Amino acid sequence: DTGVSQNPRHKITKRGQNVTFRCDPISEHNRLYWYRQTLGQGPEFLTYFQNEAQLEKSRLLSDRFSAERPKGSFSTLEIQRTEQGDSAMYLCASSSETQGAYGYTFGSGTRLTVV
Amino acid sequence: DQQVKQNSPSLSVQEGRISILNCDYTNSMFDYFLWYKKYPAEGPTFLISISSIKDKNEDGRFTVFLNKSAKHLSLHIVPSQPGDSAVYFCAASAYSNYQLIWGAGTKLIIKP
Repeated sequence: DTGVSQNPRHKITKRGQNVTFRCDPISEHNRLYWYRQTLGQGPEFLTYFQNEAQLEKSRLLSDRFSAERPKGSFSTLEIQRTEQGDSAMYLCASSSETQGAYGYTFGSGTRLTVV
Repeated sequence: DQQVKQNSPSLSVQEGRISILNCDYTNSMFDYFLWYKKYPAEGPTFLISISSIKDKNEDGRFTVFLNKSAKHLSLHIVPSQPGDSAVYFCAASAYSNYQLIWGAGTKLIIKP
């Protein structure tokens, strides 16, 4: 297993466009998390899945954001009508249920720039 | 309101000396604390953790100290090596929770 994989690594988009990111977790991990990190800040929780069920969404996740995890494997995070404030690093992590938040493995992130 | 604070944005330490990174928290419900290390263009990687029932945890060159009464923890790296240059994040979690609350990070620079 090569760890948590995120694609693309970088995305530049024009304001108002839609973007979609993908995360492939470690295969035996049933929990998957999305975080957002802006410059000079630590990661901020966005949402998490246990298998295919999205169990929690942060208030940071506006209606323009949607995340899915069909079949409990990979996950996608879509941002509709992007705004400049959406520019950030989007991090995906996975863990086993027994480890929970104490056993995160992060991907390398997708850096989004909205121009 | 920041529940986890790392008040030093950066720290410069001579190679071979001790690096001490500090973290303060406000939420008394936190019972598990973690330190992550992050290199540019990579995701954070787990370094060391400590449960609130302990006041010290050691792993090789890395030791984390927890002072619950002061709501303060620190990470000691000794001796510091050039490969330790990175951004260090302190994170905290409440029991059985699924998410971590993160500090803003401290950039550690090890000078040769």
